[in-house]
Amino acid sequence: EVQLVESGGGLVQPGGSLRLSCAASGFTFSSYDMHWVRQATGKGLEWVSAIGTAGDTYYPGSVKGRFTISRENAKNSLYLQMNSLRAGDTAVYYCARDLTDWGQGTLVTVSS
Amino acid sequence: QSVLTQPPSASGTPGQRVTISCSGSSSNIGSNYVYWYQQLPGTAPKLLIYRNNQRPSGVPDRFSGSKSGTSASLAISGLRSEDEADYYCAAWDDSLSAYVVFGGGTKLTVL
Repeated sequence: EVQLVESGGGLVQPGGSLRLSCAASGFTFSSYDMHWVRQATGKGLEWVSAIGTAGDTYYPGSVKGRFTISRENAKNSLYLQMNSLRAGDTAVYYCARDLTDWGQGTLVTVSS
Repeated sequence: QSVLTQPPSASGTPGQRVTISCSGSSSNIGSNYVYWYQQLPGTAPKLLIYRNNQRPSGVPDRFSGSKSGTSASLAISGLRSEDEADYYCAAWDDSLSAYVVFGGGTKLTVL
């Protein structure tokens, strides 16, 4: 069974940093593209980043230069380093395998 | 404002057939697969349809997807009360501004 468990969310001040983690199990982690998708309360889904099996990374303009996605295949783990956080980054952050299987999410709140 | 356009709401009565549309452009729906997700309140999105019209195992055949040109649709037949949820479409985008784009979501109400 595919399992994705996010962690690392919490309250951070504007301008601060946070690192999210996603622990994967139940599949060969290194063989899949991985994504981060976020959802602000009461809003729709917003794609945040992706990393391919070769380590190639992709970001939308809204987070490019501030967020960094990475993976550690030996630990079956996905990460999202978030810097220069803004109030608009407040959301539940989901990790997803190939956009097919999703974790339960971790809440990030950016507020002073 | 989402790159893919969905109606904000849809409704139907039990047993009815409901369709939800998703409109995009040549850089996303027009040239890539469409995915559909169901999100029940307080839960993570669940994949309903992938590659335009394929159902993952466990998804009832009441759910079906189609694509034509730069638009796609999700159809739900034999509507049930447990189908009341938010539905999102998604597609890869070949433009430089994004890699994956989502629709704004459609709130389905079962009357």
